[in-house]
Amino acid sequence: GAVVSQHPSWVICKSGTSVKIECRSLDFQATTMFWYRQFPKQSLMLMATSNEGSKATYEQGVEKDKFLINHASLTLSTLTVTSAHPEDSSFYICSARDQGRFEKLFFGSGTQLSVL
Amino acid sequence: KQEVTQIPAALSVPEGENLVLNCSFTDSAIYNLQWFRQDPGKGLTSLLLIQSSQREQTSGRLNASLDKSSGRSTLYIAASQPGDSATYLCAVTSGTYKYIFGTGTRLKVLA
Repeated sequence: GAVVSQHPSWVICKSGTSVKIECRSLDFQATTMFWYRQFPKQSLMLMATSNEGSKATYEQGVEKDKFLINHASLTLSTLTVTSAHPEDSSFYICSARDQGRFEKLFFGSGTQLSVL
Repeated sequence: KQEVTQIPAALSVPEGENLVLNCSFTDSAIYNLQWFRQDPGKGLTSLLLIQSSQREQTSGRLNASLDKSSGRSTLYIAASQPGDSATYLCAVTSGTYKYIFGTGTRLKVLA
């Protein structure tokens, strides 16, 4: 089946630093990837839609200057949390749409970010 | 604005029972609906995808139905096993490929 690789799986950083999370589609091309955030015992909230070769589309209430998204190739999208603060601590999950497989959505394994 | 709700929020059952998880959505104009499984601290695994023109999908012990007009979907799990313990999420999209997720059902199957 389609595989989406997300790295790193967990990261601990000091307040004020920036953290980059990578999301790769390993066996298919993904023109569109999605970034979600999940707080403990809550559902996934869509943050932004990442489009290859163009600017990302952010959901209402998500700061585009804080959560930088780059989708430079058909298999890689990155999310950079800039100047992270403790309230940014969360579980971040990426997903990619495989057009060739009935438009199923495949998810990465997630990244647990803890900001001290 | 689409809202997706899942009932129950949590469920604990003995091994072997047949289960029904419910998902409801407020806007019936959906393109498709997916059921996912999430293990603690992990990503999501797609279980079943139902296109808006379909009424049900089956995979092994899982069966998902869709009643678009009433805004409901159910996930039926037959002969539950401890390995089925996880959080089950349903999600809908209206065709923009942005999925709106439900609140999830945390399932625990006791051995």
